[in-house]
Amino acid sequence: GAVVSQHPSWVICKSGTSVKIECRSLDFQATTMFWYRQFPKQSLMLMATSNEGSKATYEQGVEKDKFLINHASLTLSTLTVTSAHPEDSSFYICSASGLALREQYFGPGTRLTVT
Amino acid sequence: GEDVEQSLFLSVREGDSSVINCTYTDSSSTYLYWYKQEPGAGLQLLTYIFSNMDMKQDQRLTVLLNKKDKHLSLRIADTQTGDSAIYFCAESKGSAGNKLTFGGGTRVLVKP
Repeated sequence: GAVVSQHPSWVICKSGTSVKIECRSLDFQATTMFWYRQFPKQSLMLMATSNEGSKATYEQGVEKDKFLINHASLTLSTLTVTSAHPEDSSFYICSASGLALREQYFGPGTRLTVT
Repeated sequence: GEDVEQSLFLSVREGDSSVINCTYTDSSSTYLYWYKQEPGAGLQLLTYIFSNMDMKQDQRLTVLLNKKDKHLSLRIADTQTGDSAIYFCAESKGSAGNKLTFGGGTRVLVKP
C-alpha cells in the first residue's frame, strides 16, 4: 500500500523557537496533503489542506502565520510551527492522497513538546 | 455543520465479537471510514464504505451502514488482544482529496 513518512517522529524544543516537520509520500505522488493535530485522548482536528504548488487552505481558528505549510513538490509537504509555545505541544499527523487513490494515507505522526 | 459521534469506550473479552458504533449528521457524506490508532502511532485505514452500500465485509471486519438513520457500525469478529486500540470513524464527501471529519474515537480494550 501507499506509504507516508514523517520526520522527526518526536521533537523537544524551547519556547520561542521554530520547528519544521516533514511529511513525505514514499511511493506515490501526493496531490493533496492534510495536516492534523491531536491532543491527548482526543480526536484529530484538521488544521489545513495543501495542494501541490498552491497555498494551503487553513481551517477556521488556525493561525496561518504561526503554522506555515509548504507543499512544493508532489512528495513533500512541511509544517513549520513558528515561535512555538507550550500550548503548541501536541501530536501532529499528516495524510496524503493522490489522484488515483481512493483514500488518504496517514503518516506515523510527530510528537512536539515545547518547554 | 458536520458532526460525527462515537461512544468513548468498549470492553470485550478475547474471542468475542466487538461492535463499535458511529453516528453522523451530514447526509451528503460520500465515503465513511474506519481507522485504527495504536498508542503513539498514526492512523491505519481498516476499511471504508461508499454511501450507496449497506454492508461490506473484509475478513474479520464487517461494516454496516444505515443511511436513513446515519448510523455506521464496525463489527470485529473473534476479537484479539492486538485489536486493543482507538477506533475512529470518519466521513468525507467526494474523493480522497476531500477532507475527513473524524469522530471522537472509541477506545477498545480486549481482555484475555
